[in-house]
Amino acid sequence: GAVVSQHPSWVICKSGTSVKIECRSLDFQATTMFWYRQFPKQSLMLMATSNEGSKATYEQGVEKDKFLINHASLTLSTLTVTSAHPEDSSFYICSAGQGANSPLHFGNGTRLTVT
Amino acid sequence: GQQVMQIPQYQHVQEGEDFTTYCNSSTTLSNIQWYKQRPGGHPVFLIQLVKSGEVKKQKRLTFQFGEAKKNSSLHITATQTTDVGTYFCAGDRGSTLGRLYFGRGTQLTVWP
Repeated sequence: GAVVSQHPSWVICKSGTSVKIECRSLDFQATTMFWYRQFPKQSLMLMATSNEGSKATYEQGVEKDKFLINHASLTLSTLTVTSAHPEDSSFYICSAGQGANSPLHFGNGTRLTVT
Repeated sequence: GQQVMQIPQYQHVQEGEDFTTYCNSSTTLSNIQWYKQRPGGHPVFLIQLVKSGEVKKQKRLTFQFGEAKKNSSLHITATQTTDVGTYFCAGDRGSTLGRLYFGRGTQLTVWP
């Protein structure tokens, strides 16, 4: 089945630094990938839609200058959390589908802790 | 906004009892999907419902999509300890981008 790989699985960084998270579709091409954020025991909040070769589409309330998304190829999207603060600590998950109305395949997620 | 409501938030059952979680959207959906997330894991796709009034079964799991395509339910018959996890519904409003909006999930605990 379709596999999505996310790296790193966890990261601890100091306040003010930036962190890059990678999301790769291993056995299929994904023109669109999605980035979600999940707080403990809460739902997945869609942050943005990553489009290959064009700008990402951000959901309302998500700061595009803080959460930089780059989708440079059909198999790789990156999310960079810039100038991270403790309130950015969360579980970030990427997903990719194989077209509209198709199920999403999720990466294993990245646990970000900002100290 | 992201308005897919899901209830209950928590459900504790004894093994062998049934379990149901309900999802409701404020807008008509093109399809609804269900995912299961085990503690510490990532969401795993269970099923997709597309047609109005659709009912699908996977062994002890029964999924329904409402006639108006705004609500859905997941029913588990005779729960087992392996059913433990959080069940999420996710609604697709039919955008070409395929964005999904998740309900808050129902965390199921099964006592042996």
